[in-house]
Amino acid sequence: QLQLQESGSGLVKPSQTLSLTCAVSGDSFSSGGYSWSWIRQPPGKGLEWIGHIYHRGTTYYNPSLNSRVTISVDRSKNQFSLKLSSVTAADTAVYYCARGHILTGYDYWGQGTLITVSS
Amino acid sequence: EIVLTQSPGTLSLSPGERATLSCRASQSVSSNYLAWYQHIPGQAPRLLIYGASSRATGIPDRFSGTGSGTDFTLTISRLEPEDFAVYYCHQYGSSFGQGTKVEIK
Repeated sequence: QLQLQESGSGLVKPSQTLSLTCAVSGDSFSSGGYSWSWIRQPPGKGLEWIGHIYHRGTTYYNPSLNSRVTISVDRSKNQFSLKLSSVTAADTAVYYCARGHILTGYDYWGQGTLITVSS
Repeated sequence: EIVLTQSPGTLSLSPGERATLSCRASQSVSSNYLAWYQHIPGQAPRLLIYGASSRATGIPDRFSGTGSGTDFTLTISRLEPEDFAVYYCHQYGSSFGQGTKVEIK
């Protein structure tokens, strides 16, 4: 059974960089053409796709966040990471990692982690 | 960028009733890439439908998806207590719809 687990600092100061890691167990990055994705939900709002990465390193980002987002993969540790720079209070959200496929959607999700941007 | 607009924003229904949720795209979307998710507060979202009409593993047959082009529909044939949640449509690699909340009447 595939499992994903987010980890990272729960509190980030404005203008700093948010960093999160998603550890993947029960599968490896190189199987089946899947993407490894980040999605967030600000308090009281809907889901927002942040971006995703394929195991060979190709990335796709939400245009609205593109200049601030970096997603990377560490195949040796079976994990992928999110960095979001120059954060503001608007980046406060529950952040989810998920496995996706263009034909079958996001089928496995982490439980989510709340990141608060505050001084 | 394709914008997905869901309606209604809130649906107030009783258990046993039928729920019909709409998702309209600003331009034509490949049915292959359209999915529906259920989100209960405090839990991770759950994949219900992919490819516009295929049920994900373990999803009851009271959930069904239809549509093509710019108009897609999620139908819950008979609402169970655990179905009261927020539902999102999504095109892979793009934005989610803003969600439809299905609440108990």
